[in-house]
Amino acid sequence: GAGVSQTPSNKVTEKGKYVELRCDPISGHTALYWYRQSLGQGPEFLIYFQGTGAADDSGLPNDRFFAVRPEGSVSTLKIQRTERGDSAVYLCASSLIGLEGEQFFGPGTRLTVL
Amino acid sequence: EDQVTQSPEALRLQEGESSSLNCSYTVSGLRGLFWYRQDPGKGPEFLFTLYSAGEEKEKERLKATLTKKESFLHITAPKPEDSATYLCAVQPLQTGANNLFFGTGTRLTVIP
Repeated sequence: GAGVSQTPSNKVTEKGKYVELRCDPISGHTALYWYRQSLGQGPEFLIYFQGTGAADDSGLPNDRFFAVRPEGSVSTLKIQRTERGDSAVYLCASSLIGLEGEQFFGPGTRLTVL
Repeated sequence: EDQVTQSPEALRLQEGESSSLNCSYTVSGLRGLFWYRQDPGKGPEFLFTLYSAGEEKEKERLKATLTKKESFLHITAPKPEDSATYLCAVQPLQTGANNLFFGTGTRLTVIP
């Protein structure tokens, strides 16, 4: 009955490195979302999964960003060749199908690219 | 382009001093408007869903209302524990649009 969990809570990396951020949604939530939130801004949509497939990846900023959800539960957001501008809090959320506006968010992963 | 604007950016209230937060939106078609609360260092927490103009929802000291162009979050007799950032988000009507467009939020501080 736990909520959405994300690991790690903090990640510091160097410019050009590869990072993976993990999200464990609420059990039974088929819909999963990734957002990015910069300081003083609202969350910005990145990608939406319905089950195992990415139903909408229109928010991914470029091809350095990729996300998977191979078994329809845990999801991993992958960022290649990180840039300083990628520094932000990456939020994951899940919801029931049909109630996409009522999203349950995890605490986020704070990514810092030096 | 879908857009959400929230005002004011920040609001300081004395405990018990009622006020309203505004969310103006521009969207090609509205499937739903949502209010979330976000505490520092945490993810947003869902508060309300509004689907059509004239609709109202209440929860404790909070009441959300919706018109065709904006939504208000009314806070009655706030307490210090109501201090948080309040985010408004819209879900467009277009097919397959399951993502939310968020505003930048109103940072509310309630002083004891």
